[in-house]
Amino acid sequence: DVKVTQSSRYLVKRTGEKVFLECVQDMDHENMFWYRQDPGLGLRLIYFSYDVKMKEKGDIPEGYSVSREKKERFSLILESASTNQTSMYLCASSLLTLRTGGPRTEAFFGQGTRLTVV
Amino acid sequence: GNSVTQMEGPVTLSEEAFLTINCTYTATGYPSLFWYVQYPGEGLQLLLKATKADDKGSNKGFEATYRKETTSFHLEKGSVQVSDSAVYFCALLGGGSARQLTFGSGTQLTVLP
Repeated sequence: DVKVTQSSRYLVKRTGEKVFLECVQDMDHENMFWYRQDPGLGLRLIYFSYDVKMKEKGDIPEGYSVSREKKERFSLILESASTNQTSMYLCASSLLTLRTGGPRTEAFFGQGTRLTVV
Repeated sequence: GNSVTQMEGPVTLSEEAFLTINCTYTATGYPSLFWYVQYPGEGLQLLLKATKADDKGSNKGFEATYRKETTSFHLEKGSVQVSDSAVYFCALLGGGSARQLTFGSGTQLTVLP
């Protein structure tokens, strides 16, 4: 079974702190994603990566950065945490999507990190 | 761009009732469609999927049919159980070389005994 592991289930940080959220997957997936989940807004994509050292902005990248130094690990960084970044953060991974035909693969999710910034 | 519109919640049903959660989408190309479920305190799990028009995805008594003519992928279950209480997300993976899922806003389902 695919396993996506996020380093913390719950995290409390102070405003202005630099925060690292870590995610590791064990199935050699090319694609990795960071989403945040807020009531009434569903899941919004922050950043994703389709290869080591590659990254692309999602819908809401402001205030965040990411790092992918190894294929299995994708880190989300809050450079200076603010209270409006209090949220549930979900990491996901998936196989490379084929360009023409073939199976389209779903994403597999970690258990989530509930971050509170005070 | 791609978008998913999902039935507003919350939805409260009695055990053994029939469930429908509506989902419609806008996408370029030929998307794949998914339903994910999130149980309390957990991440998202894939419930079912359909990768082309007229495909029916099914799992754990839930079904959804990919309807290209109405751009819909409604989730149904004939008889819900208390253990089905969760948040349900409709999602799509766009056609071509798209890599990321686009999600609906989620529907909270509560099933009462």
